Amino acid sequence: GAGVSQSPSNKVTEKGKDVELRCDPISGHTALYWYRQSLGQGLEFLIYFQGNSAPDKSGLPSDRFSAERTGGSVSTLTIQRTQQEDSAVYLCASSLEDTYEQYFGPGTRLTVT
Amino acid sequence: KQEVTQIPAALSVPEGENLVLNCSFTDSAIYNLQWFRQDPGKGLTSLLLIQSSQREQTSGRLNASLDKSSGRSTLYIAASQPGDSATYLCAVSPHFGNEKLTFGTGTRLTIIP
Repeated sequence: GAGVSQSPSNKVTEKGKDVELRCDPISGHTALYWYRQSLGQGLEFLIYFQGNSAPDKSGLPSDRFSAERTGGSVSTLTIQRTQQEDSAVYLCASSLEDTYEQYFGPGTRLTVT
Repeated sequence: KQEVTQIPAALSVPEGENLVLNCSFTDSAIYNLQWFRQDPGKGLTSLLLIQSSQREQTSGRLNASLDKSSGRSTLYIAASQPGDSATYLCAVSPHFGNEKLTFGTGTRLTIIP
């Protein structure tokens, strides 16, 4: 079946602009996660959605970052007033509640110039 | 705070050899541990998931073990092939499960033909 998909695959934006990154999880997966992978920082957790529960936003680095998940499926990560340090690969994952095994999408490479 | 370490950071071995990748974590109260591979410019591919109650999991030429009490996991790759060249990441989830993964920094594996 279809895996996790993310769009766009690459995004180049100017400093100060807002960007939106999209994630389509595997159908039927109740949990959705966003991570960021940057040079020197490794992979770090950003935010986690589980069903109708309030999201765990504890990994968001600043209030310029926000995310929503509509209808328990598609998620959008929004970065406002982008900074050069936001340049990274943003990865989305989804999982079922039984095994909690996370499946990752191909990522969106964000470059802030 | 959970910390995950992978040693070595890089490893090169001739094709056909068996090899072991190491992962250690500081907090033994984990729900599960996952091993991933990441090819350059790509997302993460899940290889094996070990629940905290399990000692090992096998998939083809891969075998992962878990010693929760000592905070260690190993990934054994038998009869290595050039196609195994990638970065291997281990990640642990908290005791209550289905939440953010804490990743190691990875081991970059190169199989020499």
